[in-house]
Amino acid sequence: DGGITQSPKYLFRKEGQNVTLSCEQNLNHDAMYWYRQDPGQGLRLIYYSQIVNDFQKGDIAEGYSVSREKKESFPLTVTSAQKNPTAFYLCASSSAGTSGRPDTQYFGPGTRLTVL
Amino acid sequence: GESVGLHLPTLSVQEGDNSIINCAYSNSASDYFIWYKQESGKGPQFIIDIRSNMDKRQGQRVTVLLNKTVKHLSLQIAATQPGDSAVYFCAENYAGNNRKLIWGLGTSLAVNP
Repeated sequence: DGGITQSPKYLFRKEGQNVTLSCEQNLNHDAMYWYRQDPGQGLRLIYYSQIVNDFQKGDIAEGYSVSREKKESFPLTVTSAQKNPTAFYLCASSSAGTSGRPDTQYFGPGTRLTVL
Repeated sequence: GESVGLHLPTLSVQEGDNSIINCAYSNSASDYFIWYKQESGKGPQFIIDIRSNMDKRQGQRVTVLLNKTVKHLSLQIAATQPGDSAVYFCAENYAGNNRKLIWGLGTSLAVNP
């Protein structure tokens, strides 16, 4: 999983509660991303951040919020406004370097969120 | 075995056979393509990438072919092993896309012993 950690691995939430998913990377990557994956489906982008203190909405941002106060950290909050939050959440990061693979995203192990 | 990865099809192959996973990408301006492997319950892992100035790139047991004329990408896995069983995603990017990737829907590869 290349230096990206997500916690917890499994998370249970009651309806109406907000919950925050952690994502930390030690790869010195500038950009970080949050994706949602439903069973048997592909990846859908929730939010992404190209630099500290800046982030943009992805394709399905409604009901989610993020912050990027530190380069290493990009926590995702699933709010009570998200109507169907049960899913597998993946965090990724990529570098801005001109060498290597600047656009390749490296993923964490994921957090499986279940709403009870 | 061979598949087209526009939905989430399943490709089933015998151990030791070669596998071909196909992907039709969407943007003719895309200049960078990546293949990822996702095992059950885990995050996607980088396999191999290719830039648009190439039409073929080889890795360890894997080869990626790019046909820009028909916007088609394929991943070939030689001598498929049980450990290759996973969902395979293609992704594309182009300059000006704010470093976001455009993801294919994935193809599930099942290797029969």
